[in-house]
Amino acid sequence: KAGVTQTPRYLIKTRGQQVTLSCSPISGHRSVSWYQQTPGQGLQFLFEYFSETQRNKGNFPGRFSGRQFSNSRSEMNVSTLELGDSALYLCASSLDASGPGNTIYFGEGSWLTVV
Amino acid sequence: GNSVTQMEGPVTLSEEAFLTINCTYTATGYPSLFWYVQYPGEGLQLLLKATKADDKGSNKGFEATYRKETTSFHLEKGSVQVSDSAVYFCALSEARGSARQLTFGSGTQLTVLP
Repeated sequence: KAGVTQTPRYLIKTRGQQVTLSCSPISGHRSVSWYQQTPGQGLQFLFEYFSETQRNKGNFPGRFSGRQFSNSRSEMNVSTLELGDSALYLCASSLDASGPGNTIYFGEGSWLTVV
Repeated sequence: GNSVTQMEGPVTLSEEAFLTINCTYTATGYPSLFWYVQYPGEGLQLLLKATKADDKGSNKGFEATYRKETTSFHLEKGSVQVSDSAVYFCALSEARGSARQLTFGSGTQLTVLP
């Protein structure tokens, strides 16, 4: 069974540009969430999607957005990139079973460098 | 709000030493607890989890027990190997309605020397 797949793995963008990152969840998983990892702030929750609807959102500016497609694949977009957006962006997926014990599985991440 | 506090790193041990990484949490409800591991240049891998008080999660020789009375979920391993060198993250998940989100600790860098 394939894991969570993220593309691209590495990318370099210029300040002011925008970027789109893609995520394919584990087959059968309907919940997709995104996290940002930086040395200074650690791992921070961005948002979660289920059935093409955003269910939960972290404390990030509106430049960070996402969407989910009918096949559960997800994309996140960051507009007007800033140097501080340089980070590892992790996508995660889970079954939408009830209860908080539902395991969340992570992809290998997309490394974004803003110059 | 929810929070997770982890033992500050880095931690350096010799091969076959005993490992403990402390983790305590604050949550408004009754969370599930997780340990994730991150190897250099990779994403997060689930190491173990526990969903209720006194549950013990275990995997690859690692163990952690959900202690509600002390709000702790310390990670232990009796004999570490060089291949265990990685960053370890403690996390909690507390469902709010249908929403699902992990709150992470700051991570503990473990280096095991041969």
